[in-house]
Amino acid sequence: EDQVTQSPEALRLQEGESSSLNCSYTVSGLRGLFWYRQDPGKGPEFLFTLYSAGEEKEKERLKATLTKKESFLHITAPKPEDSATYLCAVQFNAGNNRKLIWGLGTSLAVNP
Amino acid sequence: GAGVSQSPRYKVAKRGQDVALRCDPISGHVSLFWYQQALGQGPEFLTYFQNEAQLDKSGLPSDRFFAERPEGSVSTLKIQRTQQEDSAVYLCASSFTGDETQYFGPGTRLLVL
Repeated sequence: EDQVTQSPEALRLQEGESSSLNCSYTVSGLRGLFWYRQDPGKGPEFLFTLYSAGEEKEKERLKATLTKKESFLHITAPKPEDSATYLCAVQFNAGNNRKLIWGLGTSLAVNP
Repeated sequence: GAGVSQSPRYKVAKRGQDVALRCDPISGHVSLFWYQQALGQGPEFLTYFQNEAQLDKSGLPSDRFFAERPEGSVSTLKIQRTQQEDSAVYLCASSFTGDETQYFGPGTRLLVL
């Protein structure tokens, strides 16, 4: 069964304390892996798409990497405004199937 | 440009009532998706349209759920005879093609009493 697992469930950091979030998947035939950020009461906000192992994407303090079985979201010197839930989702190759399969998310709190 | 919009943002329904949730995708986006998100969970896929064609409805939890996109733009998710377990946030997303990044609206929070 196709699955996406995120760890840790929750993470509390001090401002400036770098860390990484993990997303592991058991999808056969990956089409793409997506990282989103979700603030309370809002829809997911797109961050990155990764398509193949070895690919890396960067945006401000965030860097996403992809291997054949997992992805990492590295947060460098986080600020309180980075506090949010970070969601990982995968899309796989199967005919007309375009749905995203989601993890449960990592709730990140950055203290000033 | 304008993003995905959804209305209403909040809906309170009595058990057994029918509800209709609207989604306006980003202009020019061919694909449209509906997801259901329970509190503290990741979104769960409901259904997918490419233009006006509903290509995948495998995630609809029961025949009380119905979605349409008659002109290939605005979509409506209808839930008949609502039950308490239907309480959730309903998210709509659109993408230029089904293979590309999905952009999400703010969601409609449905509470069934």
